[in-house]
Amino acid sequence: EAQVTQNPRYLITVTGKKLTVTCSQNMNHEYMSWYRQDPGLGLRQIYYSMNVEVTDKGDVPEGYKVSRKEKRNFPLILESPSPNQTSLYFCASSPRQMGNTEAFFGQGTRLTVV
Amino acid sequence: GNSVTQMEGPVTLSEEAFLTINCTYTATGYPSLFWYVQYPGEGLQLLLKATKADDKGSNKGFEATYRKETTSFHLEKGSVQVSDSAVYFCALRDSNSGYALNFGKGTSLLVTP
Repeated sequence: EAQVTQNPRYLITVTGKKLTVTCSQNMNHEYMSWYRQDPGLGLRQIYYSMNVEVTDKGDVPEGYKVSRKEKRNFPLILESPSPNQTSLYFCASSPRQMGNTEAFFGQGTRLTVV
Repeated sequence: GNSVTQMEGPVTLSEEAFLTINCTYTATGYPSLFWYVQYPGEGLQLLLKATKADDKGSNKGFEATYRKETTSFHLEKGSVQVSDSAVYFCALRDSNSGYALNFGKGTSLLVTP
């Protein structure tokens, strides 16, 4: 089954404790991205990757890192999480970055930073 | 820059009522337009799309027409069901912004029996 898999689904952590949210897709997609979803703000892009070893900042990259060492994986790293990073995070992938291509989303990771 | 504006929710309707969720956009190029739906506890999934002016996207009884003259892509359904309760996002991709997906803020729909 074609899918984007995120782990964990839920995470509660303390301020400053490094964490990684994993994302993996089995569709051989070139393009992957991370979004955060906050009430009243919709989805905002954090980082994206056009292909292996090619990453770039989205609209809200501060406090986040990513890497793309393999085509299928695109982990999101929070080196020193803070409470304002409490949010619902989604990973997405697309075959390529073109005008009419559909994005496939993971089920989301709800992160709480206390 | 590009932006998408959706009507604020939540929208509450009775089963079999007519649904309209308004969406207007601003884009510098020739965008493709999308509606995504997010069911409770799930990720977003594509509902329908339209890639050029006057195209109509349709799926599961939902429809939206790409209106370039009014820069709109309103979502409609003639008779909603309880199972349509979800959050609906309007979005666009535009070549002038590297085809990044720009989302509206989402409209929550609750359909009651």
